[in-house]
Amino acid sequence: QQQVKQSPQSLIVQKGGISIINCAYENTAFDYFPWYQQFPGKGPALLIAIRPDVSEKKEGRFTISFNKSAKQFSLHIMDSQPGDSATYFCAAGDNAGNMLTFGGGTRLMVKP
Amino acid sequence: DTGVSQDPRHKITKRGQNVTFRCDPISEHNRLYWYRQTLGQGPEFLTYFQNEAQLEKSRLLSDRFSAERPKGSFSTLEIQRTEQGDSAMYLCASRQGRGNYNEQFFGPGTRLTVL
Repeated sequence: QQQVKQSPQSLIVQKGGISIINCAYENTAFDYFPWYQQFPGKGPALLIAIRPDVSEKKEGRFTISFNKSAKQFSLHIMDSQPGDSATYFCAAGDNAGNMLTFGGGTRLMVKP
Repeated sequence: DTGVSQDPRHKITKRGQNVTFRCDPISEHNRLYWYRQTLGQGPEFLTYFQNEAQLEKSRLLSDRFSAERPKGSFSTLEIQRTEQGDSAMYLCASRQGRGNYNEQFFGPGTRLTVL
């Protein structure tokens, strides 16, 4: 079974700190790695995504680091803010991102 | 608001009843996906459509589940003879079919509670 393992399950960070969430996958056919942010009562929303031909992608305060040989990728949130408090899901997609397999989620709380 | 709408937002039903959910995707998106999300877990893929054709179904989609997308516009997901284990959030997403690696836009979901 295709799996994406995500850690930690929950994370508490002080305002201004760095939040780091890690994911690992098994299927080498995955070729698209998005991160989604979900607030209570809402559907997931795409935050940032990477393809395996690059090792890092940065958009504002959000950075994805990708290690193809280790089959791992991570999300770094710099200068974390209370408004970043949400659940974050990594995902891995194959078939040009058509089929997504999600990790179990990380509940992030940023304390003021 | 992503532009993907789902109806109803909440549904409470008794075990054994049938329920139907509706998803209206972003109008120019020809790919439509259904996912199930249980409490504290990530979304799990159920099925997807390209236009009106159902191209992939997960093994999670038992015989009690059926999905349709007539005319390639809105989609419905029906669950027959609901069981308590069906209680979950049912998410719909849509995506442009032209090009690769396009973002899937999710709706707000329909939360199903089976008593």
